[in-house]
Amino acid sequence: GAVVSQHPSRVICKSGTSVKIECRSLDFQATTMFWYRQFPKQSLMLMATSNEGSKATYEQGVEKDKFLINHASLTLSTLTVTSAHPEDSSFYICSAPLLGGRETQYFGPGTRLLVL
Amino acid sequence: GENVEQHPSTLSVQEGDSAVIKCTYSDSASNYFPWYKQELGKRPQLIIDIRSNVGEKKDQRIAVTLNKTAKHFSLHITETQPEDSAVYFCAASRYGGSQGNLIFGKGTKLSVKP
Repeated sequence: GAVVSQHPSRVICKSGTSVKIECRSLDFQATTMFWYRQFPKQSLMLMATSNEGSKATYEQGVEKDKFLINHASLTLSTLTVTSAHPEDSSFYICSAPLLGGRETQYFGPGTRLLVL
Repeated sequence: GENVEQHPSTLSVQEGDSAVIKCTYSDSASNYFPWYKQELGKRPQLIIDIRSNVGEKKDQRIAVTLNKTAKHFSLHITETQPEDSAVYFCAASRYGGSQGNLIFGKGTKLSVKP
């Protein structure tokens, strides 16, 4: 089946630094990928839609200058949390749709970010 | 924009009993409604989904019903087992189409007591 990977799985960083999270579709191409954020005991909140070859589309309330998204190729999207603060600590999950797949969207395993 | 409401937030049942989780959505253009099971710290796992041209779908102990007119859809788990304990999320596709992004409900923590 289709696989989406994320790297790193866990990251701890100091306040004020930037962190890059990678989302890769391993065996299929994805012109679109989605980035979600999940705080403890809460739901997945859509942050932005990553579009290969064009700018990402951000959800209302999500700062595009803080959460930089780059869809570098048909298999890779990156989310960079700039000037991270403790309140950015969360579980970040990406997903990629696959037309004709057994599932319509494939989720990555998530990245746990802790900002100290 | 799309809004998905999910109830209850917690549900505790005895092993063997049935569990029902309900969701409502606001955008009449939504046409794809998946249900996910998520264990702590892991990715959501699709357990069943339904499209708007179907009223009900069943897969072994799991079933989903959709009332498009009322914008309601529900998850039914029969003969619950302790391993069914997890957080369940409903979702609705935005902008129509299953390849669109998903808006999730707030989740239901299901506890199945042996």
